[in-house]
Amino acid sequence: GPKVLQIPSHQIIDMGQMVTLNCDPVSNHLYFYWYKQILGQQMEFLVNFYNGKVMEKSKLFKDQFSVERPDGSYFTLKIQPTALEDSAVYFCASSWNWGYEQYFGPGTRLTVL
Amino acid sequence: DAKTTQPDSMESTEGETVHLPCSHATISGNEYIYWYRQVPLQGPEYVTHGLQQNTTNSMAFLAIASDRKSSTLILPHVSLRDAAVYHCILRANTGYQNFYFGKGTSLTVIP
Repeated sequence: GPKVLQIPSHQIIDMGQMVTLNCDPVSNHLYFYWYKQILGQQMEFLVNFYNGKVMEKSKLFKDQFSVERPDGSYFTLKIQPTALEDSAVYFCASSWNWGYEQYFGPGTRLTVL
Repeated sequence: DAKTTQPDSMESTEGETVHLPCSHATISGNEYIYWYRQVPLQGPEYVTHGLQQNTTNSMAFLAIASDRKSSTLILPHVSLRDAAVYHCILRANTGYQNFYFGKGTSLTVIP
């Protein structure tokens, strides 16, 4: 089936540093999402994105977070500065339209020391 | 607030047919029932979805009660590869239609 890729698979950084998580969505998809999953807990919606804009975000999407997809390249999640509580697995997803199933990537495990 | 209720865990033996229940007593008329599954260290995988009618695909059969207050995901002839956490999620067909995951049912498959 359609594949979503995420780079890197694991990132370790020091608290206060900036990190960018990259997502390569399914090629003809137009709608993009980020989710956060802390180890052992349920997955939480962070943000969705369409046509260069954030359409909806949750309370977990702090001011330190930003997303973009410049010129149809990677869909990125940037955290600046990072905090200890940002340690989690971040999943990217994409869909063809709002009403269609989302395809998820394998996740990026972020460890903030 | 959780809108679906699922058992925390279930167990089955390879080759059996598994019935995974989901209760959604307050479902709205515009909400679809989606099922995803997730194995450790991987992202969720789409299984199936439905609105009112039962649906079937290569992975599973989704049985939806006539009052839509419950549904059952039926996995025929399970294998070890079917061991995963199965999430039953309601998704409205209006707005941005984000997925809100619960804890799901952890399915263990015994060889």
